[in-house]
Amino acid sequence: SQTIHQWPATLVQPVGSPLSLECTVEGTSNPNLYWYRQAAGRGLQLLFYSVGIGQISSEVPQNLSASRPQDRQFILSSKKLLLSDSGFYLCAWEGQDTQYFGPGTRLTVL
Amino acid sequence: GIQVEQSPPDLILQEGANSTLRCNFSDSVNNLQWFHQNPWGQLINLFYIPSGTKQNGRLSATTVATERYSLLYISSSQTTDSGVYFCAVNTGGFKTIFGAGTRLFVKA
Repeated sequence: SQTIHQWPATLVQPVGSPLSLECTVEGTSNPNLYWYRQAAGRGLQLLFYSVGIGQISSEVPQNLSASRPQDRQFILSSKKLLLSDSGFYLCAWEGQDTQYFGPGTRLTVL
Repeated sequence: GIQVEQSPPDLILQEGANSTLRCNFSDSVNNLQWFHQNPWGQLINLFYIPSGTKQNGRLSATTVATERYSLLYISSSQTTDSGVYFCAVNTGGFKTIFGAGTRLFVKA
């Protein structure tokens, strides 16, 4: 069966520090992968999606970037975090007709 | 772009009560899904329902695509139903648009 992992689960970072969040999927090959951000009490905002290794599409211009170095690995990065980057980051892979979400990373930027 | 509106924004129920959540969307969609986010943040797909009616236990959903709305019915609510319910639509391509959600609290 397919599983999706994210780490870390929680993170507290100072403003201006770098960021790296990792997402890995098991049990499927060449999945479409997605990064979403959820602000407190809000819906999900699509940040990036990827249809294959090295292929990244950005939906929202900001100081975040994404990479897909391996088929089942998706990384979200920033060189310098802003206060507004705080939120709940969710990775998802696309199965038939639906998306399956990881457990999320709760990021607090102070 | 397409707009997705969910109502009500917040809902408090006594355990055992029934409820109806609504999702309105402003354009034709290829795909409509309902998700439940539990208090720990985990999102689980409930229904893939671009049209018609589906049932899964105490939950059922109906989408009337021609009138651009979908309804999620929860019967005999339980405390474990608490959380946020999201409607999400796709008009083609890779972008799924989520509504703002309905926050449900079921009291014991």
